[in-house]
Amino acid sequence: DIVMTQTPLSSPVTLGQPASISCRSSQSLVHSNGNTYLSWLQQRPGQPPRLLIYKISNRFSGVPDRFSGSGAGTDFTLKISRVEAEDVGVYYCMQATQFPYTFGQGTKLEIK
Amino acid sequence: EVQLVESGGGLVKPGGSLRLSCAASGYTFSSAWMSWVRQAPGKGLEWVGRIKTKTDGGAADYAAPVKGRFTISRDDSKDTVYLQMNSLKIEDTAVYYCTREWYYCMDVWGKGTTVTVSS
Repeated sequence: DIVMTQTPLSSPVTLGQPASISCRSSQSLVHSNGNTYLSWLQQRPGQPPRLLIYKISNRFSGVPDRFSGSGAGTDFTLKISRVEAEDVGVYYCMQATQFPYTFGQGTKLEIK
Repeated sequence: EVQLVESGGGLVKPGGSLRLSCAASGYTFSSAWMSWVRQAPGKGLEWVGRIKTKTDGGAADYAAPVKGRFTISRDDSKDTVYLQMNSLKIEDTAVYYCTREWYYCMDVWGKGTTVTVSS
């Protein structure tokens, strides 16, 4: 199975400041069709997860442009340009390039 | 509005069975692959399995911890996907989410249904 490792596991951030979460996979996430199926999800407290970013860097419908994704191969990053109070929650990376689909452990974003 | 609503969770003894349902609305259900993802109390997300559309063969795939015990099926006439869980173990205790799989990502999530396996 592909292991997804996120860092940090906890990120205290000041409102209005940027935040960055790293996700590293144990194998390349490039699919045989050339696509890289790495997505990012946000889970606010008491809520189900919500898709933020798909295929490394594509923002899903309705996601604010302060969220951005980047990376390639085995190293990926989610960035929030200016953290707002509503961004508090846990962020997960997920790979769907290879079965079984696997998630990172989650990164808890909290306000300082 | 695209929506997924899970039901069927509850308390069950180890070794017991439970069937979860997920009713979809707001889109053409038969055209979408569907997945189940679970989250144990205080833990992260774990993919359980998924079922393809009938057009794509209708096959289901499972994570190793549930393979042979869980079965995913779909009824396109009812816009519903099911998760039949047999031989339940204490470690199956979790919130189970139904999700729509769209181009290899989970773009729509239900609110989840809680399964507790305890004697």
